[in-house]
Amino acid sequence: GENVEQHPSTLSVQEGDSAVIKCTYSDSASNYFPWYKQELGKRPQLIIDIRSNVGEKKDQRIAVTLNKTAKHFSLHITETQPEDSAVYFCAARDSSYKLIFGSGTRLLVRP
Amino acid sequence: NAGVTQTPKFQVLKTGQSMTLQCAQDMNHNSMYWYRQDPGMGLRLIYYSASEGTTDKGEVPNGYNVSRLNKREFSLRLESAAPSQTSVYFCASSEHLQINEKLFFGSGTQLSVL
Repeated sequence: GENVEQHPSTLSVQEGDSAVIKCTYSDSASNYFPWYKQELGKRPQLIIDIRSNVGEKKDQRIAVTLNKTAKHFSLHITETQPEDSAVYFCAARDSSYKLIFGSGTRLLVRP
Repeated sequence: NAGVTQTPKFQVLKTGQSMTLQCAQDMNHNSMYWYRQDPGMGLRLIYYSASEGTTDKGEVPNGYNVSRLNKREFSLRLESAAPSQTSVYFCASSEHLQINEKLFFGSGTQLSVL
């Protein structure tokens, strides 16, 4: 089955700097890759997603890139702000359409 | 619309006790899911229901059972709770497993098994 690995597990950046979180997946048939943000004590919420027919997608300060050949995808956050502090999860949809999540990255943005 | 509603929010059980976690959604979604969240392990799928009348195992189904009572409701049952089942449980729904994959999560149930 699908296996998703996510790095780093924790990331601390200065406000205004960029943050990058990377994920790899194992199932070459996976074709949908969302990112979820979970603030402390809250439920996870979708922030951006990408499909396998697209190499990059942007939404304001966040972007996701996908390299199908290498089977990895990344989340990029530019001009980080304190409200970006949260746990971020990547996921991949496996061949039976289930979403398999990575282990999460705790991002801390220092003011 | 309330979205996805889970009950209870907190629960403490003794080893061997049973309980049912309730989940309901009011978005007319076809697919529903139960995940557990443990530190350092992300969200792991326990069971899911692609549509009313169907249920399937996820990544970690052992020790759990589910019921898709109707289109709105999807319950998770622990028949004989074990300390390893201490976790935060999230119910989620999506419009359709195959077509629209965006998950809407409930607020979670924090379960402790002593």
